[in-house]
Amino acid sequence: GDSVTQMEGPVTLSEEAFLTINCTYTATGYPSLFWYVQYPGEGLQLLLKATKADDKGSNKGFEATYRKETTSFHLEKGSVQVSDSAVYFCALSDGGDTGRRALTFGSGTRLQVQP
Amino acid sequence: GAGVSQSPSNKVTEKGKDVELRCDPISGHTALYWYRQSLGQGLEFLIYFQGNSAPDKSGLPSDRFSAERTGGSVSTLTIQRTQQEDSAVYLCASSLAGTSGGVGEQYFGPGTRLTVT
Repeated sequence: GDSVTQMEGPVTLSEEAFLTINCTYTATGYPSLFWYVQYPGEGLQLLLKATKADDKGSNKGFEATYRKETTSFHLEKGSVQVSDSAVYFCALSDGGDTGRRALTFGSGTRLQVQP
Repeated sequence: GAGVSQSPSNKVTEKGKDVELRCDPISGHTALYWYRQSLGQGLEFLIYFQGNSAPDKSGLPSDRFSAERTGGSVSTLTIQRTQQEDSAVYLCASSLAGTSGGVGEQYFGPGTRLTVT
Protein backbone atom coordinates (compact mmCIF):
# COMPACT_ATOMS: atom_id res chain seq x y z
CA GLY A 1 0.00 0.00 0.00
CA ASP A 2 0.86 3.66 -0.07
CA SER A 3 3.16 5.07 2.58
CA VAL A 4 5.03 8.24 3.48
CA THR A 5 8.23 8.41 5.49
CA GLN A 6 9.53 11.63 6.93
CA MET A 7 12.39 12.45 9.20
CA GLU A 8 11.95 12.15 12.94
CA GLY A 9 11.78 15.30 14.96
CA PRO A 10 12.04 17.51 16.73
CA VAL A 11 14.16 19.66 14.50
CA THR A 12 15.58 22.60 16.43
CA LEU A 13 17.04 25.53 14.50
CA SER A 14 18.09 29.08 15.17
CA GLU A 15 16.27 31.89 13.45
CA GLU A 16 17.46 32.49 9.85
CA ALA A 17 18.88 28.97 9.55
CA PHE A 18 18.26 26.80 6.49
CA LEU A 19 15.59 24.13 6.85
CA THR A 20 15.27 20.76 5.17
CA ILE A 21 12.68 18.17 6.18
CA ASN A 22 13.05 14.96 4.23
CA CYS A 23 10.06 13.07 2.85
CA THR A 24 9.98 9.93 0.71
CA TYR A 25 7.00 7.97 -0.47
CA THR A 26 5.81 4.72 -1.97
CA ALA A 27 2.67 4.60 -4.06
CA THR A 28 1.03 2.22 -6.47
CA GLY A 29 -0.15 4.97 -8.79
CA TYR A 30 1.00 8.44 -9.75
CA PRO A 31 0.26 10.43 -6.61
CA SER A 32 -0.15 14.09 -5.84
CA LEU A 33 2.13 15.26 -3.02
CA PHE A 34 1.43 17.72 -0.24
CA TRP A 35 2.95 19.40 2.76
CA TYR A 36 0.54 20.31 5.55
CA VAL A 37 1.40 22.40 8.62
CA GLN A 38 -0.17 22.38 12.07
CA TYR A 39 0.64 25.44 14.17
CA PRO A 40 0.25 25.12 17.96
CA GLY A 41 -3.42 24.95 18.89
CA GLU A 42 -4.58 25.17 15.28
CA GLY A 43 -5.89 22.81 12.62
CA LEU A 44 -4.11 21.35 9.62
CA GLN A 45 -3.42 23.79 6.81
CA LEU A 46 -2.18 23.04 3.34
CA LEU A 47 1.26 24.58 2.91
CA LEU A 48 2.07 23.54 -0.67
CA LYS A 49 1.45 20.83 -3.22
CA ALA A 50 2.73 19.31 -6.45
CA THR A 51 0.77 17.11 -8.80
CA LYS A 52 3.33 15.85 -11.31
CA ALA A 53 7.00 15.05 -11.58
CA ASP A 54 9.42 18.00 -11.44
CA ASP A 55 6.67 20.34 -10.25
CA LYS A 56 7.81 22.71 -7.51
CA GLY A 57 5.28 23.73 -4.90
CA SER A 58 5.98 26.93 -2.98
CA ASN A 59 4.32 29.08 -0.34
CA LYS A 60 5.46 31.43 2.44
CA GLY A 61 9.11 30.91 1.48
CA PHE A 62 8.82 27.11 1.67
CA GLU A 63 9.52 24.97 -1.40
CA ALA A 64 9.35 21.30 -2.32
CA THR A 65 10.03 19.60 -5.65
CA TYR A 66 8.31 16.39 -6.78
CA ARG A 67 11.16 13.99 -7.60
CA LYS A 68 9.74 10.85 -9.21
CA GLU A 69 13.14 9.25 -9.74
CA THR A 70 13.94 9.36 -6.02
CA THR A 71 10.30 9.24 -4.83
CA SER A 72 10.94 12.27 -2.67
CA PHE A 73 9.32 15.59 -1.81
CA HIS A 74 11.69 17.32 0.61
CA LEU A 75 10.57 20.56 2.23
CA GLU A 76 13.04 23.46 2.28
CA LYS A 77 13.16 27.02 3.47
CA GLY A 78 16.12 29.32 3.18
CA SER A 79 15.65 31.30 6.38
CA VAL A 80 13.30 30.12 9.10
CA GLN A 81 11.51 32.36 11.57
CA VAL A 82 10.24 31.73 15.08
CA SER A 83 6.73 31.86 13.64
CA ASP A 84 7.52 28.77 11.53
CA SER A 85 7.56 26.62 14.66
CA ALA A 86 4.93 23.95 14.01
CA VAL A 87 4.46 20.33 13.05
CA TYR A 88 4.91 19.59 9.35
CA PHE A 89 3.24 16.63 7.65
CA CYS A 90 4.14 15.21 4.27
CA ALA A 91 1.22 13.50 2.53
CA LEU A 92 0.21 11.88 -0.71
CA SER A 93 -3.03 11.19 -2.49
CA ASP A 94 -3.14 8.43 -5.02
CA GLY A 95 -6.41 9.58 -6.52
CA GLY A 96 -5.99 8.29 -10.01
CA ASP A 97 -7.20 4.95 -11.31
CA THR A 98 -7.50 3.50 -7.84
CA GLY A 99 -10.26 5.96 -7.00
CA ARG A 100 -8.87 6.27 -3.50
CA ARG A 101 -8.69 9.98 -2.82
CA ALA A 102 -7.78 9.97 0.85
CA LEU A 103 -4.51 11.42 2.08
CA THR A 104 -1.80 9.17 3.42
CA PHE A 105 0.27 11.11 5.94
CA GLY A 106 3.76 10.80 7.27
CA SER A 107 4.27 10.80 11.02
CA GLY A 108 4.95 14.53 11.19
CA THR A 109 8.09 16.50 12.04
CA ARG A 110 8.07 19.06 14.82
CA LEU A 111 10.10 22.17 14.03
CA GLN A 112 11.25 24.43 16.83
CA VAL A 113 12.87 27.72 15.84
CA GLN A 114 14.74 29.57 18.55
CA PRO A 115 15.31 33.35 18.46
CA GLY B 1 -16.23 32.30 3.33
CA ALA B 2 -16.93 29.72 6.00
CA GLY B 3 -14.49 26.88 6.39
CA VAL B 4 -15.09 23.33 7.56
CA SER B 5 -16.73 23.28 10.97
CA GLN B 6 -16.94 20.45 13.47
CA SER B 7 -18.89 19.94 16.65
CA PRO B 8 -18.43 19.47 19.46
CA SER B 9 -14.90 20.77 19.81
CA ASN B 10 -14.36 18.58 22.87
CA LYS B 11 -16.19 15.49 24.04
CA VAL B 12 -15.57 13.49 27.19
CA THR B 13 -17.49 10.25 27.45
CA GLU B 14 -17.50 7.15 29.57
CA LYS B 15 -16.32 3.85 28.21
CA GLY B 16 -19.19 1.96 26.63
CA LYS B 17 -21.24 5.00 25.68
CA ASP B 18 -22.04 6.00 22.08
CA VAL B 19 -20.89 9.32 20.61
CA GLU B 20 -21.78 11.31 17.51
CA LEU B 21 -19.39 13.76 15.89
CA ARG B 22 -20.60 16.25 13.32
CA CYS B 23 -18.93 17.83 10.31
CA ASP B 24 -20.17 20.71 8.17
CA PRO B 25 -18.08 20.88 4.99
CA ILE B 26 -17.42 23.91 2.85
CA SER B 27 -20.48 24.69 0.75
CA GLY B 28 -20.24 23.09 -2.66
CA HIS B 29 -17.56 20.58 -1.72
CA THR B 30 -18.75 17.18 -2.89
CA ALA B 31 -15.97 15.14 -1.28
CA LEU B 32 -15.76 14.70 2.49
CA TYR B 33 -13.20 12.79 4.56
CA TRP B 34 -12.85 11.71 8.16
CA TYR B 35 -9.43 11.19 9.74
CA ARG B 36 -8.25 10.74 13.28
CA GLN B 37 -5.07 11.95 14.92
CA SER B 38 -3.69 10.16 17.90
CA LEU B 39 -0.31 10.09 19.61
CA GLY B 40 0.39 6.48 18.87
CA GLN B 41 -0.95 6.25 15.32
CA GLY B 42 -0.43 9.67 13.79
CA LEU B 43 -2.95 10.80 11.19
CA GLU B 44 -5.15 7.97 9.93
CA PHE B 45 -7.79 7.98 7.21
CA LEU B 46 -11.18 6.64 8.27
CA ILE B 47 -13.74 7.12 5.50
CA TYR B 48 -14.34 9.07 2.28
CA PHE B 49 -17.66 10.32 0.92
CA GLN B 50 -18.39 11.43 -2.61
CA GLY B 51 -21.80 13.00 -2.37
CA ASN B 52 -23.84 10.83 -0.03
CA SER B 53 -22.10 7.56 -0.86
CA ALA B 54 -18.94 6.20 0.72
CA PRO B 55 -16.76 4.49 -1.90
CA ASP B 56 -13.93 4.04 0.56
CA LYS B 57 -14.55 2.91 4.14
CA SER B 58 -11.28 1.03 4.39
CA GLY B 59 -9.96 3.05 7.32
CA LEU B 60 -12.78 2.40 9.77
CA PRO B 61 -11.05 0.44 12.56
CA SER B 62 -14.00 -1.71 13.62
CA ASP B 63 -17.73 -2.19 13.13
CA ARG B 64 -18.30 0.11 16.11
CA PHE B 65 -17.49 2.99 13.76
CA SER B 66 -19.98 4.21 11.18
CA ALA B 67 -20.63 7.41 9.28
CA GLU B 68 -23.29 8.88 7.12
CA ARG B 69 -23.73 11.94 4.98
CA THR B 70 -27.04 13.47 4.04
CA GLY B 71 -27.98 16.00 1.38
CA GLY B 72 -24.43 15.94 0.10
CA SER B 73 -23.49 18.15 3.01
CA VAL B 74 -23.39 17.40 6.74
CA SER B 75 -21.73 14.21 7.90
CA THR B 76 -21.96 12.39 11.22
CA LEU B 77 -19.37 9.95 12.53
CA THR B 78 -20.79 7.60 15.15
CA ILE B 79 -18.74 5.50 17.53
CA GLN B 80 -20.67 2.89 19.44
CA ARG B 81 -19.60 1.37 22.77
CA THR B 82 -16.57 3.64 22.99
CA GLN B 83 -13.26 2.27 24.22
CA GLN B 84 -10.31 4.10 25.70
CA GLU B 85 -8.28 3.49 22.54
CA ASP B 86 -10.86 5.56 20.65
CA SER B 87 -9.50 8.68 22.37
CA ALA B 88 -8.11 10.92 19.65
CA VAL B 89 -8.76 14.08 17.68
CA TYR B 90 -11.23 13.37 14.89
CA LEU B 91 -10.68 15.55 11.85
CA CYS B 92 -13.01 16.22 8.96
CA ALA B 93 -11.90 17.58 5.59
CA SER B 94 -13.71 18.50 2.41
CA SER B 95 -12.70 19.14 -1.17
CA LEU B 96 -14.06 19.79 -4.61
CA ALA B 97 -14.11 16.67 -6.72
CA GLY B 98 -10.95 16.41 -8.77
CA THR B 99 -10.94 16.51 -12.55
CA SER B 100 -9.50 13.88 -14.84
CA GLY B 101 -9.09 11.60 -11.88
CA GLY B 102 -7.15 14.23 -10.04
CA VAL B 103 -7.51 15.20 -6.41
CA GLY B 104 -8.95 18.42 -5.08
CA GLU B 105 -7.20 20.20 -2.26
CA GLN B 106 -8.52 19.12 1.12
CA TYR B 107 -9.52 21.72 3.69
CA PHE B 108 -9.54 20.57 7.29
CA GLY B 109 -11.78 21.47 10.17
CA PRO B 110 -10.49 22.20 13.68
CA GLY B 111 -11.29 18.70 14.90
CA THR B 112 -13.19 17.15 17.78
CA ARG B 113 -11.08 16.00 20.71
CA LEU B 114 -12.64 12.82 22.07
CA THR B 115 -11.62 11.54 25.47
CA VAL B 116 -12.98 8.19 26.66
CA THR B 117 -12.65 7.71 30.41
